[in-house]
Amino acid sequence: QSVLTQPPSASGTPGQRVTISCSGSSSNIGSNTVNWYQQLPGTAPKLLIYSNNQRPSGVPDRFSGSKSGTSASLAISGLQSEDEADYYCAAWDDSLNGHWVFGGGTKLTVL
Amino acid sequence: QVQLVQSGAEVKKPGASVKVSCKASGYTFTSYGISWVRQAPGQGLEWMGWISAYNGNTNYAQKLQGRVTMTTDTSTSTAYMELRSLRSDDTAVYYCAREVVGATGNWFDPWGQGTLVTVSS
Repeated sequence: QSVLTQPPSASGTPGQRVTISCSGSSSNIGSNTVNWYQQLPGTAPKLLIYSNNQRPSGVPDRFSGSKSGTSASLAISGLQSEDEADYYCAAWDDSLNGHWVFGGGTKLTVL
Repeated sequence: QVQLVQSGAEVKKPGASVKVSCKASGYTFTSYGISWVRQAPGQGLEWMGWISAYNGNTNYAQKLQGRVTMTTDTSTSTAYMELRSLRSDDTAVYYCAREVVGATGNWFDPWGQGTLVTVSS
């Protein structure tokens, strides 16, 4: 079981807005920033959102991130078929000399 | 462009060791650390540890302490991850990722393409 909790699946139709949640604790999300990674089928993860809500260059503004307390969310608006992928949240955890923790991943299906 | 290129797939027997390489290009190697992350078949991501390419300092995941060693060769801009006493549940795709230090936090960008390590008798 992963330290950060994500729903295992999410879905939406093209053009819809979907959100994916990520729940943690005071030692990780509660005290550090959250990053989101997108993993397309058969490929390596790719940085999608960093520092809670920042988009790397090249990431469409349809993707946005937010954080409140010990939870974070990824929102995808104007859903497109190419958004079908696994999405992972990640945060630094201050316990045990410090280490990175990930969510279990959310498989997004575009119907 | 910034790129991490990993070594090829490996098949190992239980109890053996594996050493995966990660060659960096497109940036100053010693200015960033490298983290290693693995993904078992059909599973999520698991952080294994981090090494500073500047001074070789390391931070390993507690569950892998004693079995993993991360090193770098600055002359070739290459990071290495060695895992010993392999078990079947070490079967996974192993990724290296450059760890970027930001003003408010760190993140991984980019990632290597991944190396499949299969542990089977």
